[in-house]
Amino acid sequence: EMQLVESGGDLVQPGRSLRLSCAASGFTFDDYAMHWVRQVPGKGLEWVSGISWNSGSIGYAGSVKGRFTISRDQAKNSLYLQMNSLRAEDTALYYCAKGRLPRVFLETIEYWGQGTLVTVSS
Amino acid sequence: DIQMAQSPSSLSASVGDRVTITCQASRDISNFLNWYQQKPGKAPKLLIYDASKLETGVPSRFSGSGSGTVFTFTISSLQPEDIGTYYCQQFDNLPLTFGGGTKVEI
Repeated sequence: EMQLVESGGDLVQPGRSLRLSCAASGFTFDDYAMHWVRQVPGKGLEWVSGISWNSGSIGYAGSVKGRFTISRDQAKNSLYLQMNSLRAEDTALYYCAKGRLPRVFLETIEYWGQGTLVTVSS
Repeated sequence: DIQMAQSPSSLSASVGDRVTITCQASRDISNFLNWYQQKPGKAPKLLIYDASKLETGVPSRFSGSGSGTVFTFTISSLQPEDIGTYYCQQFDNLPLTFGGGTKVEI
């Protein structure tokens, strides 16, 4: 059974850093693009970042470019999001998500984890 | 960035009704369009990909159509378990962008 389990969410002060993790299981992690998507509680969905199966292609939303870094560790079947210079507007539930087709970067997000909550406040 | 204008933002319908949601892209995205369902407190779930293809296991009362800039999502006969918020999303270009969502109530 496919599973994505996010962790690392916390209450953090503005300007500080946080690292989110996503543990993947139930599929061949090496073959699929992965993404982070966030949602302010009660609001809509915002794509944050994506990384191709081999880390050769990476993209960021304009709102996080230069502050957030996505990475993956194939040996650990894990996806990460390093978030620096956090702002109040980064407060959201962060979902880890999997692409649908193997070895394709820009395509459908097929499956989502349950999310981890990041709160940025003094 | 490609903007996705989704309408209506909310609707209320009765069990058995036909429900239609529209999504308009700010430029031509061919058929690179998905529809997701999000139930309260849950993660989004893929229903339709490539504008009109039904994801495995999704009931056939859900359907999608359109190409270019205008897309439609339809529930042919609304069921109580269909309450939630529905989002369109384009994957023609980065950044991936979502519509604002349509909250469906009964």
